[in-house]
Amino acid sequence: EAGVAQSPRYKIIEKRQSVAFWCNPISGHATLYWYQQILGQGPKLLIQFQNNGVVDDSQLPKDRFSAERLKGVDSTLKIQPAKLEDSAVYLCASSLGTSGRGSTDTQYFGPGTRLTVL
Amino acid sequence: AQSVTQLGSHVSVSEGALVLLRCNYSSSVPPYLFWYVQYPNQGLQLLLKYTSAATLVKGINGFEAEFKKSETSFHLTKPSAHMSDAAEYFCAVRGNNDMRFGAGTRLTVKP
Repeated sequence: EAGVAQSPRYKIIEKRQSVAFWCNPISGHATLYWYQQILGQGPKLLIQFQNNGVVDDSQLPKDRFSAERLKGVDSTLKIQPAKLEDSAVYLCASSLGTSGRGSTDTQYFGPGTRLTVL
Repeated sequence: AQSVTQLGSHVSVSEGALVLLRCNYSSSVPPYLFWYVQYPNQGLQLLLKYTSAATLVKGINGFEAEFKKSETSFHLTKPSAHMSDAAEYFCAVRGNNDMRFGAGTRLTVKP
């Protein structure tokens, strides 16, 4: 089966510009996650969708970050305006079932988008 | 809330030697624990997971990990390192909704 697809793979922008990332999860996966991975750190969850609803966005900087999954399939993460500290790899992951407490569903990760903000 | 601490940001072993990557967790509820591997310019791939069944968990590529509640540990081991094992390894814990990852351990395998 096809894995999680992300585009673009690399993006370089200047601070205060806007950028958008796209993710297509594995077919049939209900839950979609966006993570931010800063160099030298582990991934940090930004937002989690189940179908087209938001389950958890507590760590999403909502003044500049937004995400949507309108039809419950693919998703877009946007940063507007970008700051230097947003330089990171943005990982998308998906899992088959529910995302509630105690879920042990395996998360499948895409290759990520490496963002550099100059 | 839950968290993990990975002891050692870099580990270097010789090919054929034992691999031991350390992970300690903190969780207010019974945890589920995971080890992921990340190769350069790729996403994370699940190695194994502990879901409260057997405390010794076997994963892919010859890796295994043992859940020790008394030590709040979930260390990853492999009896004999291969050059292809060189990568970044992440321990993660899931208590409530979200997964919390450690900072990672970079494994280098010397010929």
